[in-house]
Amino acid sequence: SQQGEEDPQALSIQEGENATMNCSYKTSINNLQWYRQNSGRGLVHLILIRSNEREKHSGRLRVTLDTSKKSSSLLITASRAADTASYFCATDPTPLVFGKGTRLSVIA
Amino acid sequence: NAGVTQTPKFRVLKTGQSMTLLCAQDMNHEYMYWYRQDPGMGLRLIHYSVGEGTTAKGEVPDGYNVSRLKKQNFLLGLESAAPSQTSVYFCASSATNLSQYFGPGTRLLVL
Repeated sequence: SQQGEEDPQALSIQEGENATMNCSYKTSINNLQWYRQNSGRGLVHLILIRSNEREKHSGRLRVTLDTSKKSSSLLITASRAADTASYFCATDPTPLVFGKGTRLSVIA
Repeated sequence: NAGVTQTPKFRVLKTGQSMTLLCAQDMNHEYMYWYRQDPGMGLRLIHYSVGEGTTAKGEVPDGYNVSRLKKQNFLLGLESAAPSQTSVYFCASSATNLSQYFGPGTRLLVL
């Protein structure tokens, strides 16, 4: 298994701004996933991007994948206070291994 | 459809005591996982299972045992609790090695 490493460790923005967080990994993958964790709760799956995809959208979320650089980014547009959470990336193969996450604070 | 449930939600143990954490899922998932989460450490995989009757070690298996006697249940046991096992424990399940569904967590304090 391999670990995705999220960057930055913490991010603080104003409501309405965009938030970008990055994930780097070490070896070739078939897919990469992003999860969100609200304080004290379990993780929630947000989006999966396959290695043959370069970009994927889901609502206000945009994920990109650059397999040549072994990196992915998660963009949250028009952030809301409710987006305050930790965000984790995870890569295959089984079992998934999660990094330490990016703590996002959206200030109203 | 309850998803993934964990029992208990919170527990206090004394050093040396034993306990079992129960994870149950009603989604007919093959894969189940146990993680622990400590401040600043992210999620670390303890044990996992790829099907009924199977278990495998994760990143931090020492001091824990697991069993998957029924497809819907995954039990995590602590035979002799230590203060270093104070943590929040999360169970998850998935149909394949893709999207995981997490339970609400069990907060364990070992004194």
